[in-house]
Amino acid sequence: EAGVAQSPRYKIIEKRQSVAFWCNPISGHATLYWYQQILGQGPKLLIQFQNNGVVDDSQLPKDRFSAERLKGVDSTLKIQPAKLEDSAVYLCASSLGTGGDAPYEQYFGPGTRLTVT
Amino acid sequence: LAKTTQPISMDSYEGQEVNITCSHNNIATNDYITWYQQFPSQGPRFIIQGYKTKVTNEVASLFIPADRKSSTLSLPRVSLSDTAVYYCLVGREGRRALTFGSGTRLQVQP
Repeated sequence: EAGVAQSPRYKIIEKRQSVAFWCNPISGHATLYWYQQILGQGPKLLIQFQNNGVVDDSQLPKDRFSAERLKGVDSTLKIQPAKLEDSAVYLCASSLGTGGDAPYEQYFGPGTRLTVT
Repeated sequence: LAKTTQPISMDSYEGQEVNITCSHNNIATNDYITWYQQFPSQGPRFIIQGYKTKVTNEVASLFIPADRKSSTLSLPRVSLSDTAVYYCLVGREGRRALTFGSGTRLQVQP
């Protein structure tokens, strides 16, 4: 079974530039999550989708961050304009969301390491 | 959401049993306890989940006392490859994701 795919793996941009991250969840997983992980801290949830609807985006800085999940499968996370404090690893995860033995067990992708200079 | 407290770091040697305790004094009746493991440069990986007493799988055991105000993740006979950060999460599984804390950084030495 293929895991969660993310691209790019690394990205370096200057502040005030824009950047986009892509995530392809495990096939059949209805729930998709985007997390921000700053060095030395645990992952912080930015946004959670159930199919193509938003469940929770309370911690998403909406003045600069946006995310979409078209057709309930792939998702993109965008930052525009980027700030120095956005330097972090951006993790995508997915879960079944319903049914099965552990529907809310999250499977994480490898992450995208963003450096803003 | 229940707040969790776990040690910032732990050290061990290969072959030893490691027990990581997580405190969650305000755990709710419907809350589950879930542990994730994260290696450097990788996303977290689900290890084990439990509600009460003891749960065991091929990777670890989870001990939960009757009052459920704490839980202990037990890793038998650790190896160097068990060096990672371990996160304890408490909450009711459902539409909303659980919250990750800062985790416990386990360093296994030869």
